[in-house]
Formats: sequence, C-alpha cells, structure tokens
Amino acid sequence: AQTVTQSQPEMSVQEAETVTLSCTYDTSESDYYLFWYKQPPSRQMILVIRQEAYKQQNATENRFSVNFQKAAKSFSLKISDSQLGDAAMYFCAQGGSGTYKYIFGTGTRLKVLA
Amino acid sequence: GAVVSQHPSWVICKSGTSVKIECRSLDFQATTMFWYRQFPKQSLMLMATSNEGSKATYEQGVEKDKFLINHASLTLSTLTVTSAHPEDSSFYICSASSGLAAGTDEQFFGPGTRLTVL
Repeated sequence: AQTVTQSQPEMSVQEAETVTLSCTYDTSESDYYLFWYKQPPSRQMILVIRQEAYKQQNATENRFSVNFQKAAKSFSLKISDSQLGDAAMYFCAQGGSGTYKYIFGTGTRLKVLA
Repeated sequence: GAVVSQHPSWVICKSGTSVKIECRSLDFQATTMFWYRQFPKQSLMLMATSNEGSKATYEQGVEKDKFLINHASLTLSTLTVTSAHPEDSSFYICSASSGLAAGTDEQFFGPGTRLTVL
C-alpha cells in the first residue's frame, strides 16, 4: 500500500530563517509525482511545488526547494527566507501516473516567529 | 491557473436531511474529480474518485449509499450527503484533474465546504 509519512507535526522558524519539512513515502510505482501543498487558515489547498519522479534535478520555486532522494524515498521541502505568510499547514502528497489519486501525509504545522 | 469552485462554502442542516455540494471546474474540462473529507487538524482523506459519465469509485470504508457522487458533465460533480447525521459534520474538499488529455495529473482544489449537521 502507498503511504506518505510526515514525522514533524509542528515546526517553528524565525522570520527570514530557513526551515526544512520532512516527508517520506512508500510506493511500488516506477512513475509517480510528489507534491507539497500549503493549507492556510482559509483551508484552500495551494500547490507549493511538484517533482516528477523521473527527474533527477530537484524542483525549485523561488524561496521553495525540495531535496528529492528517490532511493531513500525522501522528499523534503526547504523554505528559505521564511515570511509570516508562510505560516500554514503543509501537506506532502504522492500521486500515481495512472489513477491520478493523491495520497496525503498527515501534515506539518509551520509557525513563523516574528 | 485552473480554477475550481465549490458551492455552498458553508451549510448547516438538520439531522436526517440531505445536503448537496457542487464542485465546478471553471476554466477547464475535468475528466476526473475527487472528493475528500478533512476533520479538524487532520489530513485530507480521499472519499471517492469520479470520472465523467461513469460511476464513482469509492475508497474502502466510505458508504456509497451515504455519499452519492454524480459527475454528469466535464465541469460539474456533485456530492450528496444523504440522511445526514452529526458525525457527518466535516470539511469537504473537491479537486479536479484534466488528466491524461492534458498530459498532466495535477489536481486543482476547490475552496472546500463546511458541513454542520445539527
């Protein structure tokens, strides 16, 4: 069975500092996608970054980058220069190439301290 | 970007009544739509996957007769909670994907519907 694990229920970071959120997954599929979603208090799911498993290069989006270790099935999110607006729940998700179903992790609540 | 809407955003109903939640893809055709349930401070739990014109596929443990899903067009899916009870109170989120036709599997999420059953 596919699983996604986020071992950090809550993290705190000082404004302007860097924080890394952890995610591990388990899948038997060879072709899949990985995502990080942000869910602010409004509860709207916002895509932060995505990674195709076949790509070796780590994805980056402005202040957000990932460390994708395929062999270790690890997919961590690094947020640089943290801002107050980054405070939210962050969910890691894995999607298959065929069914398009996502499996979500349990989430990490990120607090940004001024 | 692709936009998905949900209506209503919040609904309160009496126990025993049925409630319908609509999910619309506003600027793309959604071959596949997904319905999730999210309890407070918890993750999203996939309830069912629906493909336009065919019956929904429910996840294990989700009652098909309780949560009726219809995906009658490429832009609209509905979730009907039948004979709602207080334990059905939750946050329901839909997402839509244009799927293989667009060469992407990315899901676009609606803003969610808060259901409170009294």
